[in-house]
Amino acid sequence: GAGVSQSPSNKVTEKGKDVELRCDPISGHTALYWYRQSLGQGLEFLIYFQGNSAPDKSGLPSDRFSAERTGGSVSTLTIQRTQQEDSAVYLCASSFSRGGIYSNQPQHFGDGTRLSIL
Amino acid sequence: EDKVVQSPLSLVVHEGDTVTLNCSYEVTNFRSLLWYKQEKKAPTFLFMLTSSGIEKKSGRLSSILDKKELFSILNITATQTGDSAVYLCAGEETSGSRLTFGEGTQLTVNP
Repeated sequence: GAGVSQSPSNKVTEKGKDVELRCDPISGHTALYWYRQSLGQGLEFLIYFQGNSAPDKSGLPSDRFSAERTGGSVSTLTIQRTQQEDSAVYLCASSFSRGGIYSNQPQHFGDGTRLSIL
Repeated sequence: EDKVVQSPLSLVVHEGDTVTLNCSYEVTNFRSLLWYKQEKKAPTFLFMLTSSGIEKKSGRLSSILDKKELFSILNITATQTGDSAVYLCAGEETSGSRLTFGEGTQLTVNP
């Protein structure tokens, strides 16, 4: 597609349930990122995938959060046993980036998934 | 810990005014400084600044980076109501693994 596609656009679920959020990056982009934007706060880095390298998971807030990227394209962010503090907009971005000296391409964002935990 | 601070947090102006948005950063292994505009949903890319002192322009918007003072500004001239948005500044590490964002500046342009 032309841009980063995320689904669903909105998700409302009960506390304690598991949720899966999907991101389809721009075709050809090798790098994929997940961020979280809570009300009134800046974007917070969660996880980064680059090609076949091991992901940088250093931003994940707890072990209830996990993400995978299959076939170097689509990514799924999973939150287990959701808590009310998980309510936020989850944004995915992609870039044509190989990191280090080879890369200087900006990240492009999807519209996000607004997650509400009741 | 990496840190990006934007000021002001909120700004209200009239159409035709010129505004300057500020961004200071402390990013380990700094590579570039990015500006995004966020209206309803996705942040949209404005500028990526890597070199100090070189102004980048796009229409009425321009931006410059000072790597000595760890500072960037975003200027918008002849503002229009369509410029109303949150403007986000972010620092990028050399590894390209993440962006560290500031809280953003909420700009409101009144007719």
